[in-house]
Amino acid sequence: DTGVSQDPRHKITKRGQNVTFRCDPISEHNRLYWYRQTLGQGPEFLTYFQNEAQLEKSRLLSDRFSAERPKGSFSTLEIQRTEQGDSAMYLCASSLEWTGKVESTNEKLFFGSGTQLSVL
Amino acid sequence: AQSVSQHNHHVILSEAASLELGCNYSYGGTVNLFWYVQYPGQHLQLLLKYFSGDPLVKGIKGFEAEFIKSKFSFNLRKPSVQWSDTAEYFCAVGGVSGGYNKLIFGAGTRLAVHP
Repeated sequence: DTGVSQDPRHKITKRGQNVTFRCDPISEHNRLYWYRQTLGQGPEFLTYFQNEAQLEKSRLLSDRFSAERPKGSFSTLEIQRTEQGDSAMYLCASSLEWTGKVESTNEKLFFGSGTQLSVL
Repeated sequence: AQSVSQHNHHVILSEAASLELGCNYSYGGTVNLFWYVQYPGQHLQLLLKYFSGDPLVKGIKGFEAEFIKSKFSFNLRKPSVQWSDTAEYFCAVGGVSGGYNKLIFGAGTRLAVHP
């Protein structure tokens, strides 16, 4: 499978514990995004990397959340001291940098299947 | 504030019925518009997109969407749905400058098609 892969698929944790999720983007994609989706809602933007640089963070990303992409390839999203409100599906997506050409397919976002987090 | 509104949360249709899912957006500036689909047990995937030019865009599996700038709308249509179209559909808007690196999604519409 050459798509975006996320690990684990499911994570159950107790409140107060730390969790870490991994995302492996499509290999040639230099842009990587994290989104969060709760029941009945669409995905909400969390953060964005271009190569290894984290260029944008949403206000949704509290101090307990940290994301890294150390070598510009895979990324990790860590949540410290989890709370019940953190329960959600965490989605990763990747893309090639937009070339500015409408005909380009480089702007297409490819999503992974997500990590479902349940905080008890 | 940037936002996307999808009018129907749940739609139930019989096979061969026509489909129209509403999407309105609020966004300052030039926008890129998207419809994504999530089939049961699968990841989100792009159905179609509008960047510029012909406001009527065609996507995969017979879907099309029309961008009406004056109404800030980007409704999704299909003349005849199939059981396999059962899925959740998300409308999204993104900015032009620097690419579309921050999509704003609507809450989604769950479509159930009965044979």
